[in-house]
Amino acid sequence: KQEVTQIPAALSVPEGENLVLNCSFTDSAIYNLQWFRQDPGKGLTSLLLIQSSQREQTSGRLNASLDKSSGRSTLYIAASQPGDSATYLCAAYNNAGNMLTFGGGTRLMVKP
Amino acid sequence: GAVVSQHPSRVICKSGTSVKIECRSLDFQATTMFWYRQFPKQSLMLMATSNEGSKATYEQGVEKDKFLINHASLTLSTLTVTSAHPEDSSFYICSAQLGQGLLEQFFGPGTRLTVL
Repeated sequence: KQEVTQIPAALSVPEGENLVLNCSFTDSAIYNLQWFRQDPGKGLTSLLLIQSSQREQTSGRLNASLDKSSGRSTLYIAASQPGDSATYLCAAYNNAGNMLTFGGGTRLMVKP
Repeated sequence: GAVVSQHPSRVICKSGTSVKIECRSLDFQATTMFWYRQFPKQSLMLMATSNEGSKATYEQGVEKDKFLINHASLTLSTLTVTSAHPEDSSFYICSAQLGQGLLEQFFGPGTRLTVL
């Protein structure tokens, strides 16, 4: 059974810092890996989806990498802003693409 | 992009009543829809997977008679929480998936259920 772990569980940084959120998964036979953002009491906002054949995806200040063989993904946030404060969730699709397993999330606080 | 809606966004009910939550894919036909539950400060846990016209597949530990799922069309799935109790209070989120291509799941905005 796939297990997804996110480290750290919580992170507080001053505004302007570059930061890295980590995600690891136990079963490397994944279809895709996706990063989401969740604001308190709200639903999920998709940030980046990386196909299993890809190594990274970029969107604005966000860059997500994928290393299937080691079971790791990272989300890099450049020049963090207070508006980036949220919980970031990593999720791995199984090999058939019909099941998504979520990590526990990293709660990010960016202080002005 | 693909849009998924949920209704209602919030519901408060008395213990023992049943509550129905709707999940709709607004601009695409979803081969599969998923229902997740999220307790405070926890991550999303898959409850069940449903395909149009078929019985839902429930995850271990999820009572199928308590959480009734109907997927009558390619754009609508409903989750009914029967005889709700306070421990069923949670954030329920659905997602919809195309059956081809990236197989990305598109998520609804969630429904906050509070059972008094």
